[in-house]
Amino acid sequence: EPEVTQTPSHQVTQMGQEVILRCVPISNHLYFYWYRQILGQKVEFLVSFYNNEISEKSEIFDDQFSVERPDGSNFTLKIRSTKLEDSAMYFCASSESGIDYEQYFGPGTRLTVT
Amino acid sequence: GESVGLHLPTLSVQEGDNSIINCAYSNSASDYFIWYKQESGKGPQFIIDIRSNMDKRQGQRVTVLLNKTVKHLSLQIAATQPGDSAVYFCAEKSMNTGGFKTIFGAGTRLFVKA
Repeated sequence: EPEVTQTPSHQVTQMGQEVILRCVPISNHLYFYWYRQILGQKVEFLVSFYNNEISEKSEIFDDQFSVERPDGSNFTLKIRSTKLEDSAMYFCASSESGIDYEQYFGPGTRLTVT
Repeated sequence: GESVGLHLPTLSVQEGDNSIINCAYSNSASDYFIWYKQESGKGPQFIIDIRSNMDKRQGQRVTVLLNKTVKHLSLQIAATQPGDSAVYFCAEKSMNTGGFKTIFGAGTRLFVKA
């Protein structure tokens, strides 16, 4: 069964450093998403991406964040200057189509900012 | 503001019994509701969804009920098994927010006692 993959599984970085989290969505999917989950809390929407542009973003997704689909398979989330409060699990998801299509989540990348 | 929340943070049931997990939402414009299961160390996994023009939808051992009058959503799991132990999140989407943003509730942890 096709699945969303994410790398790395765990990333440790120092405050102020840039990080790039990588995702490979399911190959025939057209919509891509990033979510984060601070330990013990609910999953929070960050951004959705379709047709090579951001389709929607949350208030969390400020100028420190950016997304890119650099090639036909990868989907990345970049945090330019990490803060302690960016420490969380980051989940990538993809779906075939828009609002009412099932989103498939990856296993997540745990980001620890020290 | 809009919110999706859960009535109970934890639920403990005996193996073989039925489980009911409840969720309240406040955005009356929500079009689409989803239940996700999250096992430890994994990303959310789609269980079942329901559109706002429906009251009930059944899957394999799971049923979702939607009561738009009181803005309430529930997930019923029949003959609960140890493998059902996980955190369950309700989530909603709305065309008012562009149709891409998924708002997750706080989660309910389900414990299944053998």
